Amino acid sequence: GQQLNQSPQSMFIQEGEDVSMNCTSSSIFNTWLWYKQDPGEGPVLLIALYKAGELTSNGRLTAQFGITRKDSFLNISASIPSDVGIYFCAGPLAPNSGGSNYKLTFGKGTLLTVNP
Amino acid sequence: DTGVSQDPRHKITKRGQNVTFRCDPISEHNRLYWYRQTLGQGPEFLTYFQNEAQLEKSRLLSDRFSAERPKGSFSTLEIQRTEQGDSAMYLCASSRGTSGLETQYFGPGTRLLVL
Repeated sequence: GQQLNQSPQSMFIQEGEDVSMNCTSSSIFNTWLWYKQDPGEGPVLLIALYKAGELTSNGRLTAQFGITRKDSFLNISASIPSDVGIYFCAGPLAPNSGGSNYKLTFGKGTLLTVNP
Repeated sequence: DTGVSQDPRHKITKRGQNVTFRCDPISEHNRLYWYRQTLGQGPEFLTYFQNEAQLEKSRLLSDRFSAERPKGSFSTLEIQRTEQGDSAMYLCASSRGTSGLETQYFGPGTRLLVL
């Protein structure tokens, strides 16, 4: 089963507000990925993190790779209506946790709703 | 770059029928992946190919499922004797590289409904 815990499950915010969501695991990940999925579409990669402690930005999005390699967070600043969607954290489990570089494990997602 | 494409986008079938889905990866991507996503869940890994070789299969891939990538380009996923529990979104992704850490680009998915 899935080994990534995402929180919160859902968020309802006003346009212009900042958003923060996170992802934790009991297992070590070597890479953390954040994807966004719109209804009826496949996930689209937002940010990729490759080193513990790494902080990376992509426009209004900022994500960090936790130093324990077991967690990550994603922040969205000044939200806009098109930010609506489901945000997934994902990553390949480390080989010593039974994973491989090629097999992504996904969380259950955070559903974001932005009220104009 | 046209992205990963999948066909059909939607499929409704009756229990017991066979279905086949197609995935066309991004040109020159040597790796191709299949995932399954049920409502309220994230995608779950099914299998992946490096060129034409199928290198890993999840235990989720029962013997009713078979995937091929005969020429190392497009791939097909066939489900035989479909069951209602097979209803899900089937996602294909592709990547280019050799390390396994390269970005996986997802297609729009094929949504299967088994009645």
